Amino acid sequence: QSVLTQPPSASATPGRRVTISCSGSGSNIGSNPVHWYQQFPGTAPKLLIFSSHRRPSGVPDRFSGSRSGTSASLAISGLQSEDEADYYCAAWDDSLHGHVFGSGTKVTVL
Amino acid sequence: QVHLVQSGAEVKKPGASVKVSCKVSGFTLNELSMHWVRQAPGKGLEWMGGFDSEEGKIIYAQKFKGRVTMTEDISTDTVYMDLRSLRSDDTAVYYCATQMGITTDWYFDVWGRGTLVTVSS
Repeated sequence: QSVLTQPPSASATPGRRVTISCSGSGSNIGSNPVHWYQQFPGTAPKLLIFSSHRRPSGVPDRFSGSRSGTSASLAISGLQSEDEADYYCAAWDDSLHGHVFGSGTKVTVL
Repeated sequence: QVHLVQSGAEVKKPGASVKVSCKVSGFTLNELSMHWVRQAPGKGLEWMGGFDSEEGKIIYAQKFKGRVTMTEDISTDTVYMDLRSLRSDDTAVYYCATQMGITTDWYFDVWGRGTLVTVSS
């Protein structure tokens, strides 16, 4: 069972906006930045958002992240078919003294 | 540009050990903090441990303490992950990844392609 909770799935039609939530606690998201990874089937994860809202070079600005209290969210605006993938949130957990991942959300483009 | 090349797939029997390697190029290990993350079939990502640059030592997830050892060979810029007493639920793809960031704001920037370890009798 993952320390960070995400909805198992999310979907929207092309061009729309989809938002993925990531719920944690005071020892992880409540105290530390959140990061997001994108993963396509059979491939390694790719860093999508770091430090809660920053994008690595090459990541489209359609992807945005935010963090408030013990929750975080990833928004994908102008959804495209190529965005169909699994998305994971992650953060450092002070109590566990380790890095924890969310349970993952599969995004489907309808 | 960092590039990570992992060793090939392994098939092991329950109770055995496996050692997965990850060779770094483009940078030297002295410049990087390396971690290991695994993913069981159809499941999510699970951090196993890695070099904590703040503490200056390798730290392990509680779940794996006593059963995993991560080492580095600076001379060949290769890191290793040794997992012992394998069980069927250790069947997973094991990824090495570079850590970026500072204090508790750290994340995994570059990932290897993964090594499938299958544990089966």
